[in-house]
Amino acid sequence: AQTVTQSQPEMSVQEAETVTLSCTYDTSESDYYLFWYKQPPSRQMILVIRQEAYKQQNATENRFSVNFQKAAKSFSLKISDSQLGDAAMYFCAYRSEGGAGSYQLTFGKGTKLSVIP
Amino acid sequence: DGGITQSPKYLFRKEGQNVTLSCEQNLNHDAMYWYRQDPGQGLRLIYYSQIVNDFQKGDIAEGYSVSREKKESFPLTVTSAQKNPTAFYLCASRLAGTDSYEQYFGPGTRLTVT
Repeated sequence: AQTVTQSQPEMSVQEAETVTLSCTYDTSESDYYLFWYKQPPSRQMILVIRQEAYKQQNATENRFSVNFQKAAKSFSLKISDSQLGDAAMYFCAYRSEGGAGSYQLTFGKGTKLSVIP
Repeated sequence: DGGITQSPKYLFRKEGQNVTLSCEQNLNHDAMYWYRQDPGQGLRLIYYSQIVNDFQKGDIAEGYSVSREKKESFPLTVTSAQKNPTAFYLCASRLAGTDSYEQYFGPGTRLTVT
């Protein structure tokens, strides 16, 4: 079974600065997807960014980018120019194929990000 | 507007009672999922369904039951056999049959059992 580990339960960043959230995973599969989800205080889960394992190029979405190291099984999220609205729980997730193409997600335990004005 | 609705937002029950959480989607998605979220635990999969009248257990299915009689609906029943039912429950859906990667989440239901 796949596991996802987020080793930083809490982090903080000054507004306008850059912060990196860490995620490692364990899998025997060669093809998979990785995701970062954001959960603000409203508790609505929002997809931030995804990475296909077969792509060597790191994904970017505006101020969000990832550092995907397949051999090291590492998938970190970098948030540039942090804004107050970035304050949230961030979850790293791995997409596995749980039989008949169910594409289950396995989540890490999350990192709570605080943004300091 | 298309989306996933979960009702109610907050639900209170007495211990020993079964309770059913609603999840409806109008996205025409094939697959639907139920997750449980506890503090410090992330999201854990309870049940999922790929098509109508079919569903599979996730990692923590004990004490829960589901049905999928309609494509749009995937209700979750928390039975009295669930030892620690107080939690935040999230429903999600995904367009199957393609390499669609994203699960869309509902706003969640906070269940408190006393």
